[in-house]
Amino acid sequence: GAGVSQTPSNKVTEKGKYVELRCDPISGHTALYWYRQSLGQGPEFLIYFQGTGAADDSGLPNDRFFAVRPEGSVSTLKIQRTERGDSAVYLCASSPQAGANYEQYFGPGTRLTVT
Amino acid sequence: GNSVTQMEGPVTLSEEAFLTINCTYTATGYPSLFWYVQYPGEGLQLLLKATKADDKGSNKGFEATYRKETTSFHLEKGSVQVSDSAVYFCALSGDFGNEKLTFGTGTRLTIIP
Repeated sequence: GAGVSQTPSNKVTEKGKYVELRCDPISGHTALYWYRQSLGQGPEFLIYFQGTGAADDSGLPNDRFFAVRPEGSVSTLKIQRTERGDSAVYLCASSPQAGANYEQYFGPGTRLTVT
Repeated sequence: GNSVTQMEGPVTLSEEAFLTINCTYTATGYPSLFWYVQYPGEGLQLLLKATKADDKGSNKGFEATYRKETTSFHLEKGSVQVSDSAVYFCALSGDFGNEKLTFGTGTRLTIIP
């Protein structure tokens, strides 16, 4: 079946602009996670959803970052007033439910470049 | 908070060599431990996991044992192949209510024929 998909695969934007990154999880997966991976680093947690609600948003770096999952499926990560330091690969993962017994399946990521 | 310290890379080995990639962690409670792998041009995928102390995770000839006394989860393989060339990430997730993954910095492994 289809895996996790993310669009766009690449996004180049100018400093100060607004961007939206989309994640389509595996059908039926109730948990959805966003991570950010900077060059040469491991992924860092941003936020995760159980259903429609954000269960843990402790990783969002500041109030420029916001994510939604209004119908419990597709999620959008929104970044306002982008800065060069936001440049990274943004990864989305989904799992059947939250918890260590459930594998997180990762998408290919969106590479964001802020010029 | 939780953290993962992973062996610095890159690591270059000859085919059929023995592989160890060290991983130690700091966590409260009873975390679950994972190794993820990222092959060139592909997304992150789970390689193996262990959810409690003394468990051994294994897959594709790779093994790692959850050692609570040394807070370690070292990855090993007895005979590596060129196709094992990838970046390997050690990770942990916390107890219920703390399911996010905390990753190490990754170790790039290159196997030469």
